[in-house]
Amino acid sequence: AQTVTQSQPEMSVQEAETVTLSCTYDTSENNYYLFWYKQPPSRQMILVIRQEAYKQQNATENRFSVNFQKAAKSFSLKISDSQLGDTAMYFCAFIDYGQNFVFGPGTRLSVLP
Amino acid sequence: GAVVSQHPSWVICKSGTSVKIECRSLDFQATTMFWYRQFPKQSLMLMATSNEGSKATYEQGVEKDKFLINHASLTLSTLTVTSAHPEDSSFYICSAEISTDTQYFGPGTRLTVL
Repeated sequence: AQTVTQSQPEMSVQEAETVTLSCTYDTSENNYYLFWYKQPPSRQMILVIRQEAYKQQNATENRFSVNFQKAAKSFSLKISDSQLGDTAMYFCAFIDYGQNFVFGPGTRLSVLP
Repeated sequence: GAVVSQHPSWVICKSGTSVKIECRSLDFQATTMFWYRQFPKQSLMLMATSNEGSKATYEQGVEKDKFLINHASLTLSTLTVTSAHPEDSSFYICSAEISTDTQYFGPGTRLTVL
């Protein structure tokens, strides 16, 4: 069974600084997708970034980028120029063809003024 | 982007009553919708996969007679918590699949059973 691990239950970062959230996963599949979702206090799940496993190039969305290491099964999220609105729970998630989303336990990020 | 709504956003009910939660895809059709449950400060747990026109597929440990799912159309799935008890109090989130690798999440429904 696929599993997703986020080893940092909580993190904090000063506004305007950079923070990296860790995620590792376990799968025997070769083709799959990885995601980072943000859940602010409103509880709405918001897609931050997605990565297709067959693409070597790391995905980037504005201030958000990933470091995808397929061999190591690692998928970390880097947030640059952190903003107060980035304060949220961040979930790493995995899906392969024909399966359902598997979510990690989450990392609570606090951006400090 | 695609929009998924849930109704109600929060509900309080007495123990023993049934509660229905609706999940709608507003601007796209979704053959498959998913229902998740989230306990405080925990991750999302998939409860069931809802397929339009067929019976839902429940995850291990989820009582299908307790959590009735109906996917009546390509834009609507409903979750009915039957004979609710305080331990059913939770945050329920639905998502609608627009493609194999893309789901859009509803805003969630907070259920409190007294």
